[in-house]
Order: sequence, then C-alpha cells, then structure tokens
Amino acid sequence: KNEVEQSPQNLTAQEGEFITINCSYSVGISALHWLQQHPGGGIVSLFMLSSGKKKHGRLIATINIQEKHSSLHITASHPRDSAVYICAAVFKAAGNKLTFGGGTRVLVKP
Amino acid sequence: DADVTQTPRNRITKTGKRIMLECSQTKGHDRMYWYRQDPGLGLRLIYYSFDVKDINKGEISDGYSVSRQAQAKFSLSLESAIPNQTALYFCATSDTTDTQYFGPGTRLTVL
Repeated sequence: KNEVEQSPQNLTAQEGEFITINCSYSVGISALHWLQQHPGGGIVSLFMLSSGKKKHGRLIATINIQEKHSSLHITASHPRDSAVYICAAVFKAAGNKLTFGGGTRVLVKP
Repeated sequence: DADVTQTPRNRITKTGKRIMLECSQTKGHDRMYWYRQDPGLGLRLIYYSFDVKDINKGEISDGYSVSRQAQAKFSLSLESAIPNQTALYFCATSDTTDTQYFGPGTRLTVL
C-alpha cells in the first residue's frame, strides 16, 4: 500500500531555531515533493527531489532512498515560516499521481 | 494574475443541489488535477486529466464527475451534494517534471 507519514504533526519553535520535519514512505518512489500551505490556504510547491539534497534560501530538503525517508529543514526560523508543510510521494507503481502526507503544522513565535 | 484560478472561492449549498467548481490555468500545462482537503486527512485526489481526451478517477471519485472542456479548463461537479462533501477543494496543474501548481482553493459547505 502506498503510504506517506509525516512527523511531528505539530511543531512550535522560537524565532531563530532550527526546525526539522520528517517524512517516511512505504515503497519505492520516483520523486518526493515538499509543499507549503499558508494560513490563508494557498499551497506552494517548495521542492521536488529524487535523490540527495536541495537548498533554497533557508530551506533544505534531503532524501535517503534506501531508508525511504526525507527531511525538510528550516534554518534560522522566522514567524513568516509559520505554515503547514506537506510531503507528497510519487510512487513508482502509481504513475504521476501524488500521495500526500497529513502535514506538519509549524508555528514560529517571535 | 494568478496562473491557476478557481471559481467560486466560497460556496454554501444545500443537500441535493448540483454544484460545479471551475478551474482555469494559463500555464499551458496538459495535466490537471482536483483534490479535496479535510482536516486531519490531508489532500486526496478526486480526478485527474493528462490531456483533453484523458480523464481518470482518483482515490475518492464517488459522488463527483469532471469535464475537461479545453487544455486550460477542468471542472468538477457534485451531482447531488451531501454534507460529507464539505471540504476545501483544490485544482492543480503540472508540467512534465511533476511540479504541481495549485489554485487558491474553493471552500465548499453543504448544509
């Protein structure tokens, strides 16, 4: 069964702290996406990766294919990083469709 | 202007009514998707279309139908709305790299 699990479900941090969100998936994938959902509801694609590591500003995404695990890191967190972060997998047997994790709600306090 | 637009943005309706949610995109993508989001359940795929002549069911298609009127337009219909279809609905498009671009969402309430 194609499953995607995220942890933690909720995370509260102080401004400036380093944040890590974890994503595990059940079987082989062709790609892993990280998305950000703003408090107003809009969803933005942050990263798509199939191996290694990607960095954009203060955001870093890594993936370990052997361990079926990906992490999203936020360095020097800021209140504007408060959002729901969602990972989604493209399972090899499922064509180009995404299967989504339940999301991690991040609150960064000033 | 937004690349992916959805109308309406909010809708309150009654059980049994027919509802259509519309999605338009200016990105020129062939692939379009409809998702629903429920608290605690994450996003789930309702229908998807990889080109104008291609329509496929997702994991929760029962109670929904779609129409791909053109490359740029993909509509979702609820033939007879029921309260458990109350949710946030998102349209999305993707290019061949699978990066997805989401619309702003439609908040639907079925009373």
